[in-house]
Amino acid sequence: NAGVTQTPKFQVLKTGQSMTLQCAQDMNHEYMSWYRQDPGMGLRLIHYSVGAGITDQGEVPNGYNVSRSTTEDFPLRLLSAAPSQTSVYFCASSLENEQYFGPGTRLTVT
Amino acid sequence: GENVEQHPSTLSVQEGDSAVIKCTYSDSASNYFPWYKQELGKGPQLIIDIRSNVGEKKDQRIAVTLNKTAKHFSLHITETQPEDSAVYFCAASRGTYKYIFGTGTRLKVLA
Repeated sequence: NAGVTQTPKFQVLKTGQSMTLQCAQDMNHEYMSWYRQDPGMGLRLIHYSVGAGITDQGEVPNGYNVSRSTTEDFPLRLLSAAPSQTSVYFCASSLENEQYFGPGTRLTVT
Repeated sequence: GENVEQHPSTLSVQEGDSAVIKCTYSDSASNYFPWYKQELGKGPQLIIDIRSNVGEKKDQRIAVTLNKTAKHFSLHITETQPEDSAVYFCAASRGTYKYIFGTGTRLKVLA
């Protein structure tokens, strides 16, 4: 059981570039979510999904897209990176209330 | 919108002393209140949680209390040890979705 895995661990982008942060879980959890963590601001919900084919916006969705074609995978897309998207990104999955977080992706946009 | 306030932002205690972290939530419909511990370079890990129909819950050295009327909940760690040093986050949610997190408390246990 690998739990929640995220790739890459680190990424540097130039302004305007696009990329996809990968998230996968092997626990057959229906609910998955993406958060960003910034100093002094805790974790803020970007997008979440309650099952394959269903996604919805969280607190800070602008500049990010998601899709959920399978139960296992929940990728986060940045279409045109901006310096304000420099952050640590965490993916999480849960069956009921208990959320399991991945190890995070540290993204820097220059 | 809904928010969760967490205090203090940093806390230093001597090994063996107790530590208390407090959170206040704004959404009166919140019914689930988890606490997470985050060690350096890792994702948050659930350490204890409480639901709105319970006033207190204990797990060894860790306890959480909930005051629904005042919309406060607190994390209590007794007999602190150096390995308790980490960042702690509270959160509130209605059911399974849309957790609102506090801003975190950096706990330092001094040996």
